[in-house]
Amino acid sequence: DVKVTQSSRYLVKRTGEKVFLECVQDMDHENMFWYRQDPGLGLRLIYFSYDVKMKEKGDIPEGYSVSREKKERFSLILESASTNQTSMYLCASSTHRQTANTGELFFGEGSRLTVL
Amino acid sequence: AQKVTQAQTEISVVEKEDVTLDCVYETRDTTYYLFWYKQPPSGELVFLIRRNSFDEQNEISGRYSWNFQKSTSSFNFTITASQVVDSAVYFCALSEAGDSNYQLIWGAGTKLIIKP
Repeated sequence: DVKVTQSSRYLVKRTGEKVFLECVQDMDHENMFWYRQDPGLGLRLIYFSYDVKMKEKGDIPEGYSVSREKKERFSLILESASTNQTSMYLCASSTHRQTANTGELFFGEGSRLTVL
Repeated sequence: AQKVTQAQTEISVVEKEDVTLDCVYETRDTTYYLFWYKQPPSGELVFLIRRNSFDEQNEISGRYSWNFQKSTSSFNFTITASQVVDSAVYFCALSEAGDSNYQLIWGAGTKLIIKP
C-alpha cells in the first residue's frame, strides 16, 4: 500500500520558533510537494521538488524553505514561525517530473500547525 | 489566467439523496487536465479522477459520475444515492500541459455533509 507519512499531525509553536515538518514517501517517487490548506483558499503550493537536492518555488514560498537530501524525504522549514503561518500543511508525492501536474498525487494526512 | 471555481462552499443532504458538486474552470490552453480529489475527515486527500481536455466522455464509477462539458467549462461531480461515508471536502483542480511550472490550480473545495 502506497504511503506518504507526515511526522506530526498536530503542532503548537510560539512565534519566532523554528519549525520542521517532515514528510516521507515509500513509493520511490521523484516528485514531492508541500501545500498549505486554508479555508476558502483551497490548496496553495509552497515548494516542489523533482529530485534530490532540487527545489522549485510554488505560489507562496515566502517564510518557508525546504530540504530534500534523500529521495524519500522532503522537509518543510519555517525559519521563524509567525501567527499567519497557522494552517494545515499537506505533503504529496507523484511519480515523475514530466507528470508532476498530470499524474495522480498521493497525500499525507496533513500537519496542523498552530503558531501562538 | 487559469482559475477553478467551486461556488458551493458547503452542501448538506440527507442520506440516499443525489448530490452534484459544481466545478467551473478557466484556461487558455487547449490541452489541459481536470481532477477531483476527496478529503475525508482524516485529512488525506484521495485522487478520484483525471480527465484530459480531449476526452469529453462522461465517466461513471459506481455511485460516482462526472460530467465534463467544454462548452460551459465545467466538470461536475455527481454522487448518486449518497452515503454518510461520502461526507468529505471535495476539491476540483486544473493543470495545463503548457505549464512549465508543473502546477495544479485548485478550487476552494466543497464541504459535503451527508446526514443519516
